[in-house]
Amino acid sequence: GQNIDQPTEMTATEGAIVQINCTYQTSGFNGLFWYQQHAGEAPTFLSYNVLDGLEEKGRFSSFLSRSKGYSYLLLKELQMKDSASYLCAVRGYQKVTFGIGTKLQVIP
Amino acid sequence: GAGVSQSPSNKVTEKGKDVELRCDPISGHTALYWYRQRLGQGLEFLIYFQGNSAPDKSGLPSDRFSAERTGESVSTLTIQRTQQEDSAVYLCASSPSLGGRTDTQYFGPGTRLTVL
Repeated sequence: GQNIDQPTEMTATEGAIVQINCTYQTSGFNGLFWYQQHAGEAPTFLSYNVLDGLEEKGRFSSFLSRSKGYSYLLLKELQMKDSASYLCAVRGYQKVTFGIGTKLQVIP
Repeated sequence: GAGVSQSPSNKVTEKGKDVELRCDPISGHTALYWYRQRLGQGLEFLIYFQGNSAPDKSGLPSDRFSAERTGESVSTLTIQRTQQEDSAVYLCASSPSLGGRTDTQYFGPGTRLTVL
């Protein structure tokens, strides 16, 4: 089976850095995704990791440790528009499974 | 090119009625997922189609829910005898699903279902 854990809510200050953690236990592992979902909108793809290490893309970075079943999404230079839910998703043997998502609130 | 489309965008129905929701995936995408998302909640997996394989129906909450997909094209999600607890946004996503990054899912705008 699949089990994915993330904090349900986080608050951070505009201009700061925030790290959103995700831990998983899955039947097989074939990649981990992060998605962003603004309120009232559909999720959109942010990042993909399949090998250990850090993937950087502008202000967003994603890290994976397969041996620890652990990933994090790092958001730098936070902007108000980054207020959204961030969903961790894991591809197991059969399909992709989503975590419940972390709702991030960016405050001035 | 066109993204994933869903229809209708909004559906209001009376308790006990049947509803049918439609999803048009991106052309060529072999994988198609249906999710349910209640207000302020996470994505709840419903069903997964992959090519011509038997669908994974493990997420369907009751036998009132069913879904079909014709080949690698349109999918319909049917809810029979709707209940108020079925009120939610129903999201469809497709992916090329050839492995790796191609498992990236592209979401449709969703159908907001309200059961009175």
